[in-house]
Amino acid sequence: EAGVAQSPRYKIIEKRQSVAFWCNPISGHATLYWYQQILGQGPKLLIQFQNNGVVDDSQLPKDRFSAERLKGVDSTLKIQPAKLEDSAVYLCASSFYRTSHEQYFGPGTRLTVT
Amino acid sequence: TQLLEQSPQFLSIQEGENLTVYCNSSSVFSSLQWYRQEPGEGPVLLVTVVTGGEVKKLKRLTFQFGDARKDSSLHITAAQPGDTGLYLCAAIPNGNQFYFGTGTSLTVIP
Repeated sequence: EAGVAQSPRYKIIEKRQSVAFWCNPISGHATLYWYQQILGQGPKLLIQFQNNGVVDDSQLPKDRFSAERLKGVDSTLKIQPAKLEDSAVYLCASSFYRTSHEQYFGPGTRLTVT
Repeated sequence: TQLLEQSPQFLSIQEGENLTVYCNSSSVFSSLQWYRQEPGEGPVLLVTVVTGGEVKKLKRLTFQFGDARKDSSLHITAAQPGDTGLYLCAAIPNGNQFYFGTGTSLTVIP
């Protein structure tokens, strides 16, 4: 089966610019996660969707970050405006159902803010 | 403070050596997972441990969940260069929010 797809793989922007990341989860997976991973650290959960509803966005900086999952399949994560400290890898993951806890990760998007 | 502290943070060893990585917390977990992440890729699930004291083996990797379900260890026997990567523990202390550990970066030198 196809894995979790993410694009772009790399993005370089200047501070105060906007950027968007796209994720296509594994077919049939109802739960989708976005993580931020600073170099050398563990991923930090930003937002979790169950179908097209938000389950948890407590660690999402809502003043600049937004995410949506229309139709319960693909998802986009947006940053507007970007700050230097947003430089990180943004990982998307999906799982079959909310309590399975077995997550499948995409390759990530490496964002550099200059 | 981090919910899941891993040690050591960095580890560089020669091929054939053994090593142990630790994941510690003050919280009790219903289950704990271990992932390996290679450069440029997302984490890949290695194992899930559920029962206190549980030991699981995956080829040369041995995972143990502490009796009190607050900590876990990963032991690698006869490490190989292919074992190089970032090892992450992860757990859900309450609700459904996942927390990842601080990570252990392992380098196995041929």
